[in-house]
Amino acid sequence: AQSVTQPDIHITVSEGASLELRCNYSYGATPYLFWYVQSPGQGLQLLLKYFSGDTLVQGIKGFEAEFKRSQSSFNLRKPSVHWSDAAEYFCAVAPDDKIIFGKGTRLHILP
Amino acid sequence: EPEVTQTPSHQVTQMGQEVILRCVPISNHLYFYWYRQILGQKVEFLVSFYNNEISEKSEIFDDQFSVERPDGSNFTLKIRSTKLEDSAMYFCASSDSSGANVLTFGAGSRLTVL
Repeated sequence: AQSVTQPDIHITVSEGASLELRCNYSYGATPYLFWYVQSPGQGLQLLLKYFSGDTLVQGIKGFEAEFKRSQSSFNLRKPSVHWSDAAEYFCAVAPDDKIIFGKGTRLHILP
Repeated sequence: EPEVTQTPSHQVTQMGQEVILRCVPISNHLYFYWYRQILGQKVEFLVSFYNNEISEKSEIFDDQFSVERPDGSNFTLKIRSTKLEDSAMYFCASSDSSGANVLTFGAGSRLTVL
């Protein structure tokens, strides 16, 4: 069955530090991959998506993610985090026309 | 930028009561979805809707749930007799195409069942 694993429930980084959030998926083919962010009290906002082509995708707010087929991974990165990046981040796959979400990683930012 | 609007933002209800959550999808979108997020857990698919009928539903979407597009703009989720475990954030989403579509999500409706 398709699944998405985000191994880190919580991550804490200092403001200005680099960030990497891990995501692994289990799917027979290469699915469509997404990262969403949910700020406190807000809905789900799409950060970036991968459908095909260049395996390094750029998103909004300075985020990027790299698809690695050999590792079945789609890790999210940002070179320098800002306090406003504190939120919950969801990796997701779309094997068909619905999206399957991971359990999320809550990002805490230290001043 | 077009957005998906959900009302109410928060509803508190007694167990056994009926609840209707409303969504106004983006106007030219044709595919509609409801997802649910129980506190501290992942976002789960409930149902997808296209051409005035359910296209797919999860095992969560049992007989107490129903969806409707009553007037061509609103998309509603009804829970007939709420249970404590229905307490969650409910997200509506819409898209303009099927397949590898990109869903636009609303801000969510938080349902608290007492």
